[in-house]
Order: sequence, then structure tokens, then C-alpha cells
Amino acid sequence: AQKITQTQPGMFVQEKEAVTLDCTYDTSDPSYGLFWYKQPSSGEMIFLIYQGSYDQQNATEGRYSLNFQKARKSANLVISASQLGDSAMYFCAMRERRGGSQGNLIFGKGTKLSVKP
Amino acid sequence: KAGVTQTPRYLIKTRGQQVTLSCSPISGHRSVSWYQQTPGQGLQFLFEYFSETQRNKGNFPGRFSGRQFSNSRSEMNVSTLELGDSALYLCASSLEGGAYEQYFGPGTRLTVT
Repeated sequence: AQKITQTQPGMFVQEKEAVTLDCTYDTSDPSYGLFWYKQPSSGEMIFLIYQGSYDQQNATEGRYSLNFQKARKSANLVISASQLGDSAMYFCAMRERRGGSQGNLIFGKGTKLSVKP
Repeated sequence: KAGVTQTPRYLIKTRGQQVTLSCSPISGHRSVSWYQQTPGQGLQFLFEYFSETQRNKGNFPGRFSGRQFSNSRSEMNVSTLELGDSALYLCASSLEGGAYEQYFGPGTRLTVT
């Protein structure tokens, strides 16, 4: 079963507008972490934002915010005031504990965001 | 502080050969994880090393192996290469693993012909 679902393969947004990238997850572990990464065409994965399952408030990092709705198991990324440099693939990922291990990152299929001038 | 470095950046190998990829984590980070990225399968976890011990392993055949040295640098090895091993191999480091964010290197793009 897919644990991380990103339903938007591609999205377009006008420069300076806000955009929301969807992510839903599936886990039975009460302790988990949710991440968003950006991957430009160069290939490097850039960490954007993190939300822990016990965090009471939504995470924010500059123009990035994470809309965390625990009951709905969703962790949408909101990018405000889009810039041309935001054009990239965006991946949602989850880390869940696995026994005595800290677990590993499970990634969604990604959303390709294109910012139009 | 220097980021995660991976060498080589690009590699072309022939089916049946073996290959070794290297990853140097951010200074002070003790956890190193490896991921394979392909257009078809997306990003898949290979293994994680912490303090020279493999702490976690993904669902890959035994041809894929790795190790970590005392300075936290890590190598992964793929033996008897197959065409399907062509991928971008990403290394990520974190302070302790677990809930800490992982910082990725630029990746090694492996092409198997």
C-alpha cells in the first residue's frame, strides 16, 4: 500500500501567487515525521520543512508552510509568493519508527511545479 | 560548513561490472542513508549506517551493499550490474537519524550499458 500519496503530477502557478502542493500519508505509528524536499533539475534534494506528529503548530520556514491536518492524514506544502526559482520537483516524505530503528524516509512520487512569469 | 559530497558525479559502467560510490557527510553527522531514484520506481531507500553499523535496510538484493568508516564517510557497492541499476544514487546525512532532517548530496548518476 502506498504510504505517501501526491495526487498532482504537475502544477502551474503564476509568479508571485501562492500554491498548495498536496500530500496524504498512511501510518499506524503514533510517532512519525513529515518532510518536504525540493529537487531542481540538477538533481540535489533540498530540505524545505519538517513537521513532527506531536507538533501542535504547523511548521513554517520563510515562504514555506506546512498545513498539517493529523485527523485527515494530510501534510500539504504551501509556497507563498512563488518565484521562478521555485520551479522544480517537490517530494513529500515520511519517517516512521520501525522497532528499535529510527526508520527511513518514504517518498511520494513527487509534484512538478512550474512557475510562469 | 560543507555540505554532503558524493563522488563520482557521473559514471558509466557495463553490465556485469561492479561499482563503488562514495559519500562524505556533513561534519558532525553520524548517520548516512542511501537512496536510489529512477523514473519508474521513484525514490527508494537502500540502507542507513550509523556509527559504522548498518541500522536499517531497504528491499534491495544482496548485490547492493555498503559500509561506513570511522570518520562517517560511507561507500556503497553494487556488484554484477544490471541495466535496471541505472539510476541517480543519493546519499543523505543527518545528526542522529530518526526525526532529524536529512541533508542530501548532489547524487551520483550511474548509467549501465
